[in-house]
This record gives sequence, C-alpha cells and structure tokens, in this order.
Amino acid sequence: SQQGEEDPQALSIQEGENATMNCSYKTSINNLQWYRQNSGRGLVHLILIRSNEREKHSGRLRVTLDTSKKSSSLLITASRAADTASYFCATDTTASKLTFGTGTRLQVTL
Amino acid sequence: DTGVSQDPRHKITKRGQNVTFRCDPISEHNRLYWYRQTLGQGPEFLTYFQNEAQLEKSRLLSDRFSAERPKGSFSTLEIQRTEQGDSAMYLCASTGGSSSGNTIYFGEGSWLTVV
Repeated sequence: SQQGEEDPQALSIQEGENATMNCSYKTSINNLQWYRQNSGRGLVHLILIRSNEREKHSGRLRVTLDTSKKSSSLLITASRAADTASYFCATDTTASKLTFGTGTRLQVTL
Repeated sequence: DTGVSQDPRHKITKRGQNVTFRCDPISEHNRLYWYRQTLGQGPEFLTYFQNEAQLEKSRLLSDRFSAERPKGSFSTLEIQRTEQGDSAMYLCASTGGSSSGNTIYFGEGSWLTVV
C-alpha cells in the first residue's frame, strides 16, 4: 500500500521557474526521503529530512517537513530541462523500510 | 564504490518460465531491499535482508517469488512460473554502514517483460 501521496500528479513549467511538489503521509515517521527517477531508470536519492528537522537545503533543492500536518514539500529553484523526471517522497517508518507515494511527474520546457 | 548494481537490466521471458535477478549492494551495506515498480506507480516493498537474514516479506511476494542473500553480500530474486502480471521493474536497494546513515540507495533496476 502507498503511504504517501504526492501533489500535483503532474507539473509542467518553463526553464528558470521554481517547481514545488507536496507529499502527504499517514503514519508517524523516522525520516522522509525524496528521490528522482528519470524515465526507465532507477531512483536517485535527493535529500533526507529527519522527523525532528523542519527544513533542509541541498543546492537548488529545499525540503520542508511538517510532522503535525504529516506533510512535506520539495522546492526546486531555477529549474532546468534536465530536472524533467518523476519525483517521489518516501517515508521511513520501521527498519528503514521505505514506503513510496505515487510520484509527481515534472516537465521542464525550454 | 560503484553503487548498487543489478543484472540483467532487461529480461523478456515467456509466461511460465523462471527468471532470476541479481543485486550487488554497496559493499559495506548490511541491509538490502527488493522493490517492484509498475508503470505510473511508486515502488512497492517486496522484501528486506539484514546481512543474510530475510527479516520481512510483503504480501506481494507470492510463493512463486523467492529471494536469497546467502553470504550477506549479493542477493538474488527468483520468480518461478512467471505470469504476465509479473511484468514490472524490480529494484534493489541497500543501506547501512558508517557512511550511509539512513539513506537508502537504489540500483538502476531490472525490467521484466513476460510475454
């Protein structure tokens, strides 16, 4: 079963714009991880945010976590065509087993 | 460190045949996971090893599926008597060791098409 739900399911923006994706989950977590997946490829780890953290940055990525609302957001600033991919949030509840959402498909056009 | 390696990357098989996928995790990682992903969906957990011990199996893992990690290093996932519904990408992931923290690293996946 899928624990997380990403919103929106699909997002189309122009190069240079910011992209925001949201993730909601249902149960308490140890941490939340965001992954990128290019079409037909494996998952690339982007960022991990622990349950006691509220915000984390990595390059053009900014992740927030609100455990009271059971939600997280991923912001990609100054998007590039190469950012075109599916983005997944995954929650870590027990034994570091990840439960994934259904993903947001991001299309960045020139 | 070359990351998580999976083989083969693509497999086309006839219904009823057996297939086996191999995963080589990052060398110091003691935890290894198998996930399955179908088109348009997120990965779904199948099973998990801590060293050579298989600690958890999903209800998705029917009795036609078997996974092993005999020496606590590489792992194999075998599907017997394949069905068309088994067509998916099978992803392996690993974590553990001093450098990974709780980050789970995935391989490129093995695509299975059952015809």
